Amino acid sequence: QKEVEQNSGPLSVPEGAIASLNCTYSDRVSQSFFWYRQYSGKSPELIMSIYSNGDKEDGRFTAQLNKASQYVSLLIRDSQPSDSATYLCAVNRKTSYDKVIFGPGTSLSVIP
Amino acid sequence: GAGVSQTPSNKVTEKGKYVELRCDPISGHTALYWYRQSLGQGPEFLIYFQGTGAADDSGLPNDRFFAVRPEGSVSTLKIQRTERGDSAVYLCASSPSGWGNDEQFFGPGTRLTVL
Repeated sequence: QKEVEQNSGPLSVPEGAIASLNCTYSDRVSQSFFWYRQYSGKSPELIMSIYSNGDKEDGRFTAQLNKASQYVSLLIRDSQPSDSATYLCAVNRKTSYDKVIFGPGTSLSVIP
Repeated sequence: GAGVSQTPSNKVTEKGKYVELRCDPISGHTALYWYRQSLGQGPEFLIYFQGTGAADDSGLPNDRFFAVRPEGSVSTLKIQRTERGDSAVYLCASSPSGWGNDEQFFGPGTRLTVL
């Protein structure tokens, strides 16, 4: 089992709809969770981080974490064509110094 | 302020040659990471530095790969006897402390092509 898993997609949603991106992780002691966005040919950039169970909202983005289920998700409301990108889930096992493990990414396409 | 920079942006080499890839992190960032990313895949962890020391090099695929960060700032990833399978985008990232909840800031990457 891979440490961080995501549906590879592509996920297609119409403009204005809600896009739902999912991620599961294998290490139960994982502490920090991140969503990065990567446009084609560009480097990843952080859009959300979450550390506690529940929801965290930032503008049109909501991250959801359920540690018991080892599941983290990202919701994008009012999806825009500019949201079309690959979304990478990343996990850090510790609260102290440790490497971050990335999932394979989910490709999102928002159709105008 | 300047972000993470990487040189060269593109490197084409022949099988069996030696290459060096350079990363210049954000000033003051103590943690530096190297990743390798193939088309359609997420970044694959290679090595992580805290200051000058390699805190975790478990992702280096074999002994052809080596990285250094002698003064705790610039890092060089070195690949000996390159193989076609080494072709990928090599990403460098830095973070302020390397603490678990730190954001990583990525450089633009070096695209390595081994012919």
